[in-house]
Amino acid sequence: DAEITQSPRHKITETGRQVTLACHQTWNHNNMFWYRQDLGHGLRLIHYSYGVQDTNKGEVSDGYSVSRSNTEDLPLTLESAASSQTSVYFCASSESGESSYNEQFFGPGTRLTVL
Amino acid sequence: AQSVTQLDSQVPVFEEAPVELRCNYSSSVSVYLFWYVQYPNQGLQLLLKYLSGSTLVKGINGFEAEFNKSQTSFHLRKPSVHISDTAEYFCAVINTGGFKTIFGAGTRLFVKA
Repeated sequence: DAEITQSPRHKITETGRQVTLACHQTWNHNNMFWYRQDLGHGLRLIHYSYGVQDTNKGEVSDGYSVSRSNTEDLPLTLESAASSQTSVYFCASSESGESSYNEQFFGPGTRLTVL
Repeated sequence: AQSVTQLDSQVPVFEEAPVELRCNYSSSVSVYLFWYVQYPNQGLQLLLKYLSGSTLVKGINGFEAEFNKSQTSFHLRKPSVHISDTAEYFCAVINTGGFKTIFGAGTRLFVKA
């Protein structure tokens, strides 16, 4: 069965360190997304990609970067981790084309703690 | 710009009672509407979606939602809840032709025995 996986599931790091969160999907979806989930804020979009070599900033992109070298993977990098980036991070994917009505498929999430 | 407001952050309810989770949205263009559910320590999964046509949409696990264009609402209902429905529920909107989904802050449904 197709799926979307994230690793690690839990990560503790220190302020100032670079951290990369992995996202891998086997749906063959062109669209991929990264969100952070914080209490009271729901899900906020960090970055998204409509296909290989395409990346776009979301509403809370400062301090984060992504790259898309193939269809399956969209790693999220925190260049210099800050305590404000302690959160739960979700990766999602959806079909392309007339996809605005297509559901997003979510990974299980990565809980990141920055000390 | 679009926005989504979930009017209740938490909804406690007894098992087998009916429940309504409220969602209002604002948008200057036509939208598609979604409800997602998040069980503890899991990602979100789609409950139901409204694209067009009948304003009453039925989803999985006995949930349904009604699209009300004049009130810009998309409330989620279930006539009889189970303990297993305890989860967080997110309302979401995307404008037709768009790719970015806007999520509400979530409503935590807690079903008590």
